[in-house]
Amino acid sequence: DARVTQTPRHKVTEMGQEVTMRCQPILGHNTVFWYRQTMMQGLELLAYFRNRAPLDDSGMPKDRFSAEMPDATLATLKIQPSEPRDSAVYFCASGLGMTGRDEQYFGPGTRLTVT
Amino acid sequence: AQSVTQLGSHVSVSEGALVLLRCNYSSSVPPYLFWYVQYPNQGLQLLLKYTTGATLVKGINGFEAEFKKSETSFHLTKPSAHMSDAAEYFCAVSGINQGGKLIFGQGTELSVKP
Repeated sequence: DARVTQTPRHKVTEMGQEVTMRCQPILGHNTVFWYRQTMMQGLELLAYFRNRAPLDDSGMPKDRFSAEMPDATLATLKIQPSEPRDSAVYFCASGLGMTGRDEQYFGPGTRLTVT
Repeated sequence: AQSVTQLGSHVSVSEGALVLLRCNYSSSVPPYLFWYVQYPNQGLQLLLKYTTGATLVKGINGFEAEFKKSETSFHLTKPSAHMSDAAEYFCAVSGINQGGKLIFGQGTELSVKP
């Protein structure tokens, strides 16, 4: 049963610390998305990659967030330095193609709390 | 530009009653429309989608949705609610030449009373 995996599932950190979240997309999927979910803002697209190349990161605060795909099996989202307003659930999703018709498969999320 | 509006952030129904979750969209290109469900502490899971063809789409767990172009709507229904349907439901829109991005609505939390 292929699924997207994310680590860690929960992270509590202090303001100013670096946070790295990892995602393993479904094998063979060429597109990876990062979302942030909060009560106030709902689901926001932060960035996405196709064939490991960043296509759009306009949803990310550029000064503190960075996203990369070191290889086809790993996507990372880094926050440095972290702030309390970054507290949220961060989801990774993967999929095929770029026609817009295709389903995105979501991981279980990383719940980040910044104190 | 594309956007999605879900009417009602919370909907409560009795077990066995009709479920109706409303979704309206705007899109400058022919839309592809999706409904996802999120159970507590889990990621989103696809319920159903409309791309082309038949406007009445059937999904998992007995849900269906109808694409109505004239009303720019894609409402989600289920004839008889079950306790296990309690979850948050998200409507989303995409389209050709949108790079595969989904634009999500704010979500509707469905409660099912015994």
